[in-house]
Amino acid sequence: GEDVEQSLFLSVREGDSSVINCTYTDSSSTYLYWYKQEPGAGLQLLTYIFSNMDMKQDQRLTVLLNKKDKHLSLRIADTQTGDSAIYFCAESSGDSSYKLIFGSGTRLLVRP
Amino acid sequence: DSGVTQTPKHLITATGQRVTLRCSPRSGDLSVYWYQQSLDQGLQFLIQYYNGEERAKGNILERFSAQQFPDLHSELNLSSLELGDSALYFCASSVRLQGNEQFFGPGTRLTVL
Repeated sequence: GEDVEQSLFLSVREGDSSVINCTYTDSSSTYLYWYKQEPGAGLQLLTYIFSNMDMKQDQRLTVLLNKKDKHLSLRIADTQTGDSAIYFCAESSGDSSYKLIFGSGTRLLVRP
Repeated sequence: DSGVTQTPKHLITATGQRVTLRCSPRSGDLSVYWYQQSLDQGLQFLIQYYNGEERAKGNILERFSAQQFPDLHSELNLSSLELGDSALYFCASSVRLQGNEQFFGPGTRLTVL
């Protein structure tokens, strides 16, 4: 079945790198995503990676995909206090709808 | 700002009532998805519409229904409300049927008392 798992909490010091990890089960997923949710706000699409790629970099964000292990990670370089939020990993379903299957979210706390 | 709008922002109602949540997709987007975010279930897909037609259904209760209108806005109708229906309801839109980029609205927070 479709399942996405993430660790619940990560705390880092401002200026350090953050790495948020995710595992998924559906090998037919075409795209894998990272969304950010700040308190009281909606979901902001940060980045996504096509399943035939290994890595994608977008400014401070680096996404790594290990298809063999079905493991996805998001690295945030030079983490800032404004990066404190909940980060959701999601996979697109293998059917024609491309509905998103979300993990439970990782709460990132950036300490000054 | 994603360009997706949802109204109302907050809704407080009583058990047994019926409410309608509204979503306007980004300009040019034909596909609308509805998701529910609750503490116990997390973020779950409810239903998808594309250009006015229902295209996919997820864990949507029979008490819930949706539609997409010719101007592409969508409404989610929730009836016979129960305490457990209290949640954040998001809609997302994408250009294509197979929406590889889904942009989310700010959500409607529903509280059932």
